[in-house]
Amino acid sequence: AQSVSQHNHHVILSEAASLELGCNYSYGGTVNLFWYVQYPGQHLQLLLKYFSGDPLVKGIKGFEAEFIKSKFSFNLRKPSVQWSDTAEYFCAVNPNTNAGKSTFGDGTTLTVKP
Amino acid sequence: DTAVSQTPKYLVTQMGNDKSIKCEQNLGHDTMYWYKQDSKKFLKIMFSYNNKELIINETVPNRFSPKSPDKAHLNLHINSLELGDSAVYFCASSQEGRGREVRGELFFGEGSRLTVL
Repeated sequence: AQSVSQHNHHVILSEAASLELGCNYSYGGTVNLFWYVQYPGQHLQLLLKYFSGDPLVKGIKGFEAEFIKSKFSFNLRKPSVQWSDTAEYFCAVNPNTNAGKSTFGDGTTLTVKP
Repeated sequence: DTAVSQTPKYLVTQMGNDKSIKCEQNLGHDTMYWYKQDSKKFLKIMFSYNNKELIINETVPNRFSPKSPDKAHLNLHINSLELGDSAVYFCASSQEGRGREVRGELFFGEGSRLTVL
């Protein structure tokens, strides 16, 4: 079974600061990787995803993530955060098999101070 | 139109009662899920149905019973509610049968906040 670890539980930044949220997973096979965002009081929405090809993927709202296979990592980055980025961020791993289930990390709460 | 819709959005009830949450998706997806998000925001899968067939059943008390009358609907019935059942329950759907580029990408409903008193 796969597992996902998000190292930062709560990150507090000022506007315009750069962001990097860590995500590591454990699984021996091919995986699909996702970052989801949950704005306060809302449901989870997809930020970006990686299936294959270029390990640097770009998502919505200026977010990007880099898949480093040797490190089993899929860290999320944004060069300059905004107050509206305040939200909960979840990394998820899917083992890309039939009926494979997605496993979520415990989430990182990002607070951006204006 | 909302892609994945859940009802009700809020549910407040007494311990011992039985309640249901309904979910419908209009995305034409073949797989639907129930996730539970606790007060610490941890998100755990409970059940998954593929074309009305149960394929994932995590360690969940048998007071929780999912039902999928067709592939667009997945309902969750909870018997004898307990305080620890208080959480936000998210329905989600995905298209698992079309190839790896879409596999695992989940579309979530807005959640149903259950409060057991």
